[in-house]
Amino acid sequence: GAVVSQHPSWVICKSGTSVKIECRSLDFQATTMFWYRQFPKQSLMLMATSNEGSKATYEQGVEKDKFLINHASLTLSTLTVTSAHPEDSSFYICSATGRETQYFGPGTRLLVL
Amino acid sequence: AQSVTQLGSHVSVSEGALVLLRCNYSSSVPPYLFWYVQYPNQGLQLLLKYTTGATLVKGINGFEAEFKKSETSFHLTKPSAHMSDAAEYFCAVSGSADALNFGKGTSLLVTP
Repeated sequence: GAVVSQHPSWVICKSGTSVKIECRSLDFQATTMFWYRQFPKQSLMLMATSNEGSKATYEQGVEKDKFLINHASLTLSTLTVTSAHPEDSSFYICSATGRETQYFGPGTRLLVL
Repeated sequence: AQSVTQLGSHVSVSEGALVLLRCNYSSSVPPYLFWYVQYPNQGLQLLLKYTTGATLVKGINGFEAEFKKSETSFHLTKPSAHMSDAAEYFCAVSGSADALNFGKGTSLLVTP
């Protein structure tokens, strides 16, 4: 079946640093990828839609200058959390659309100290 | 706009008992409906999905769900709970292959 990977699986960083998270579709090409965020004990909330070769579309309330998304190829989208702060600590999950189905990555847990 | 409401943030069943997790949806277009399971500190695993066609959908691990348009519901059931079913379950809706709108989740506890 389709597989979506994320790297790293978890990261700890100091406040003010930037963190890049990669999302890869391993056996299919994904023209669209989505980035979600999940705070503890809460549901997944869509942050942005990443389209290959064009600018990402951000959901209301998500700062595009803070969460930089690059979808440079049909198998890779990256999310960069710039100048991370403790309130950005969360579980970030990507998904990729392939064969009319969304496939989710395993998630990246970010802890900002 | 599409949304789902999961009734009950916590459900507790005995091992071997029926599992029923409730989900109601709201959609202005024919919905695609999904159930996902999330184990602690892990990503999401698709249990089943409804797009078109047969309204009773069978998924993995013995789960099934029935799309009832008249009730705007997509409840998840399993005849006999196993201890390994304890997890967080999310109902979600989308218009087609668009982003998913998730419910708040239901935590399933299975007791011996």
